[in-house]
Amino acid sequence: DSGVTQTPKHLITATGQRVTLRCSPRSGDLSVYWYQQSLDQGLQFLIQYYNGEERAKGNILERFSAQQFPDLHSELNLSSLELGDSALYFCASSVGRGRVGYTFGSGTRLTVV
Amino acid sequence: TQLLEQSPQFLSIQEGENLTVYCNSSSVFSSLQWYRQEPGEGPVLLVTVVTGGEVKKLKRLTFQFGDARKDSSLHITAAQPGDTGLYLCAGARKTSYDKVIFGPGTSLSVIP
Repeated sequence: DSGVTQTPKHLITATGQRVTLRCSPRSGDLSVYWYQQSLDQGLQFLIQYYNGEERAKGNILERFSAQQFPDLHSELNLSSLELGDSALYFCASSVGRGRVGYTFGSGTRLTVV
Repeated sequence: TQLLEQSPQFLSIQEGENLTVYCNSSSVFSSLQWYRQEPGEGPVLLVTVVTGGEVKKLKRLTFQFGDARKDSSLHITAAQPGDTGLYLCAGARKTSYDKVIFGPGTSLSVIP
């Protein structure tokens, strides 16, 4: 157990639907990062939050949004889902800057049918 | 454009052999990290190197950061089946929040 909790572990949904992925960071970590991993794209950075504020954005689609709450947990919202959104979505956390490394959760496997 | 390149992409070796995987970039990083990922799980941090020329050892694994902080290598001595997995390098860019970029990974299979 890495200390980073992601739910749900698996999600199967239809095209056009909306889902919410949840992440609780490791105790004491203020930064949360979301990554998407697919076979052909590798680990792609989506977005970073630090203590409730958005700090960096990567290749996150406009259909996707995220937030970090006062208790530091984070949610990633994916809407108008397409088949190509099927992937593993990982959350990671770190104490502060990503320079020293991340602790990853075990991911949410999203399948859009 | 892939900012971090890894080679080889795939590697299949016999138990007991030695191997080296490489991570290269044209960019300078404030730190470089190596992770190992097993199927269906999240990447697990193995090591972080921050100083050019730095060498770190973790049991049978030796990590080196290039002098110019643009590249790194991971050497495994006497590989074991438990070393099987996807090895990812990740570089932290020198921005205000050290955004980390991952390479595509090297998939290692160690055959008993």
